[in-house]
Amino acid sequence: GESVGLHLPTLSVQEGDNSIINCAYSNSASDYFIWYKQESGKGPQFIIDIRSNMDKRQGQRVTVLLNKTVKHLSLQIAATQPGDSAVYFCAENSGGSNYKLTFGKGTLLTVNP
Amino acid sequence: DVKVTQSSRYLVKRTGEKVFLECVQDMDHENMFWYRQDPGLGLRLIYFSYDVKMKEKGDIPEGYSVSREKKERFSLILESASTNQTSMYLCASSLPSLTDTQYFGPGTRLTVL
Repeated sequence: GESVGLHLPTLSVQEGDNSIINCAYSNSASDYFIWYKQESGKGPQFIIDIRSNMDKRQGQRVTVLLNKTVKHLSLQIAATQPGDSAVYFCAENSGGSNYKLTFGKGTLLTVNP
Repeated sequence: DVKVTQSSRYLVKRTGEKVFLECVQDMDHENMFWYRQDPGLGLRLIYFSYDVKMKEKGDIPEGYSVSREKKERFSLILESASTNQTSMYLCASSLPSLTDTQYFGPGTRLTVL
């Protein structure tokens, strides 16, 4: 079956640095990917998404890169701020008929002032 | 903004009790989902619904049932709560397309004693 995983379970950065969070996926049929941010005690919050016909998408201070050749997804956060400290999940929709998302386990990002 | 609300943030129940978790969304979304989130296991889908009175099992439906009598409301029912159902429960909703983002509620932390 499909799986979505993360290379690094934790990431610690200095305030103002750029952060990169990685995600590997195994289902080559996946056609839609989402990054979520989850702060302590809260539900996951949508950050940015990308479809499989794209390789890059930019939002406000965030960029998602998709490399279908190696089945790799990354989230880049520019000028990381203390408020960015959270767990970040990637999720994939394999394009099946059941609307299911498969979630990664998450990466904890800690921003040091 | 999409708003998904859950009836309780924290809930403590005893083994054998019947437990109702309520979720309401205000964006007229067709799809609604119930997940549980446990450390080291990530988000796992319990049930989802793609229309009123329609439901499909997710990955871990055992011990749970659901009800969707109105489009905006999706209920998760634990018929006889057990200690292994202690978890964070997250509700989500989305539009019907396979590439539509799921928006999450704040979660209910359920403890079964």
